Amino acid sequence: AQTVTQSQPEMSVQEAETVTLSCTYDTSENNYYLFWYKQPPSRQMILVIRQEAYKQQNATENRFSVNFQKAAKSFSLKISDSQLGDTAMYFCAFMSTQGGSEKLVFGKGTKLTVNP
Amino acid sequence: EPEVTQTPSHQVTQMGQEVILRCVPISNHLYFYWYRQILGQKVEFLVSFYNNEISEKSEIFDDQFSVERPDGSNFTLKIRSTKLEDSAMYFCASSARVGWNEQYFGPGTRLTVT
Repeated sequence: AQTVTQSQPEMSVQEAETVTLSCTYDTSENNYYLFWYKQPPSRQMILVIRQEAYKQQNATENRFSVNFQKAAKSFSLKISDSQLGDTAMYFCAFMSTQGGSEKLVFGKGTKLTVNP
Repeated sequence: EPEVTQTPSHQVTQMGQEVILRCVPISNHLYFYWYRQILGQKVEFLVSFYNNEISEKSEIFDDQFSVERPDGSNFTLKIRSTKLEDSAMYFCASSARVGWNEQYFGPGTRLTVT
């Protein structure tokens, strides 16, 4: 079974600075999807960024980018120019491409606080 | 922008009672999911639903749980006889297609079993 580990329960960063959230996962599959979801306080989870494992190029969405290291099974999220609105729980998630599975396997999350 | 909605936001029930959690997925989505998060633990997959039947379920989703799409808009999760350990945040999600496609999550229902 796949597992996702987020080793940083909480992190903080000063506004306008850069922060990196860590995620590692365990799988025997060669192709799969990886996601970062953000859950602001008292609001629903929204997708931040996603990566397909067979694509070597790291995904980027505006201030958000990933460092995908397939061999190391690592999928970290970098947030540049942090803003107060980035304060949220961040969840790393894995989805298999085999057997028509649709389930997301989540890590425990990292609580990020952006300080003014 | 369309959103997934869930009602109620907080449900308190006594052990052994039946509870129904309700979700309204995004209108043109075809795939529906329930996840739960016990306090302090990971968000866990419960079940996925497509074309009026369960397409995948986890070990957690035992005979006490059922899902239904009673009409064209609602998607429900029923727990027949609640246990203390069912206390958790329950999230509904929907997507237009499987896999690469984004799952859109609702705000969750906090279920407290006393």
